Amino acid sequence: AQSVTQPDIHITVSEGASLELRCNYSYGATPYLFWYVQSPGQGLQLLLKYFSGDTLVQGIKGFEAEFKRSQSSFNLRKPSVHWSDAAEYFCAVGVPGKLIFGQGTTLQVKP
Amino acid sequence: EAGVVQSPRYKIIEKKQPVAFWCNPISGHNTLYWYLQNLGQGPELLIRYENEEAVDDSQLPKDRFSAERLKGVDSTLKIQPAELGDSAVYLCASSLGDFTGELFFGEGSRLTVL
Repeated sequence: AQSVTQPDIHITVSEGASLELRCNYSYGATPYLFWYVQSPGQGLQLLLKYFSGDTLVQGIKGFEAEFKRSQSSFNLRKPSVHWSDAAEYFCAVGVPGKLIFGQGTTLQVKP
Repeated sequence: EAGVVQSPRYKIIEKKQPVAFWCNPISGHNTLYWYLQNLGQGPELLIRYENEEAVDDSQLPKDRFSAERLKGVDSTLKIQPAELGDSAVYLCASSLGDFTGELFFGEGSRLTVL
């Protein structure tokens, strides 16, 4: 069955520090992978997506993610976190007709 | 260009009462989704429409939930009667239907059932 696991429910980093959010997926075919961000009281906004080609993908707001087929992972990274990055982050795998989301990682940014 | 519009943003009702949520997708998007987001969880698909046809409603609890998308544009999701466990955020999303993966989400309707 298709699934997405985000091992870290909550992460706290200091402003200016680097960030890595983990995502592992389970899917039999070549995956379409996504990262979405959700600020409090808001809908989900697409950060980046991977369909094929270069395994390192760039997104909005300075985020990037790397697809590693051997590890079934699609980790999200940012070199320097800003206070405005505090939000909930969802990894998702695209299967025909829908997205399957992980449970999310809440990012807290310390000043 | 306007995004996905949902209403109401917040709704508080007592159990056993009915409730309805409305969604207007981005103009030209023929695929519309309703997702359920429980507290601390990722969204889960309830129903997907291609134009006015519900092509995937396998996760919609049909004993109390219903949805419609008349004329293939805006959509309504209804719960009757509501139960305590229905307290959640109901997200609507739309896409062009070619499944590039970019779903555009509304801000959601937060339901509290007392």
